[in-house]
Amino acid sequence: SQKIEQNSEALNIQEGKTATLTCNYTNYSPAYLQWYRQDPGRGPVFLLLIRENEKEKRKERLKVTFDTTLKQSLFHITASQPADSATYLCALDRPGGATNKLIFGTGTLLAVQP
Amino acid sequence: NAGVTQTPKFQVLKTGQSMTLQCAQDMNHNSMYWYRQDPGMGLRLIYYSASEGTTDKGEVPNGYNVSRLNKREFSLRLESAAPSQTSVYFCATGQGLSTEAFFGQGTRLTVV
Repeated sequence: SQKIEQNSEALNIQEGKTATLTCNYTNYSPAYLQWYRQDPGRGPVFLLLIRENEKEKRKERLKVTFDTTLKQSLFHITASQPADSATYLCALDRPGGATNKLIFGTGTLLAVQP
Repeated sequence: NAGVTQTPKFQVLKTGQSMTLQCAQDMNHNSMYWYRQDPGMGLRLIYYSASEGTTDKGEVPNGYNVSRLNKREFSLRLESAAPSQTSVYFCATGQGLSTEAFFGQGTRLTVV
């Protein structure tokens, strides 16, 4: 079955540094991959989507890469701020059908220290 | 615009009780989804509705039923709650493939 792995350990970094989060997947070739942010007690909020034929996508301080050979996506936050502290989820599309059924990773908690 | 609204926000049930979680969206999206989120498990799809009048099982449908009342509303029903259904439930909407999902704020359910 499809499996998504995100680093379960929290990532602690200093303000101003670049945070890099990893999402690995197995037994699957997704057409696209999404990243979400989740704050405590809230629902996930969409950040970026990257398609299988795209190597890199950027949005302001965010950058996502997608390596279909390595079966890996990297999510970067440059010039990180304490307000970036949250859990970040990666999600892949589920095979079959016409709807957006996503498979989610367990998320990585990012803590940005001032 | 409210986006995706879930009610209630919190609920405690006794084993065997039934309840319905409500979800309403004002985004005019065709597709709606119910997920549950448990520690260490990530979000798992319970049921989804590709469009008004259709529903399908997701990854973990056992113990649940759904109803797509109209384009705006998608409800999740627990007929006989079990402690294993203690979780945070999220409703989400979307518009077709390769588009983002919009989530509600969640319902925290505890079954004792």
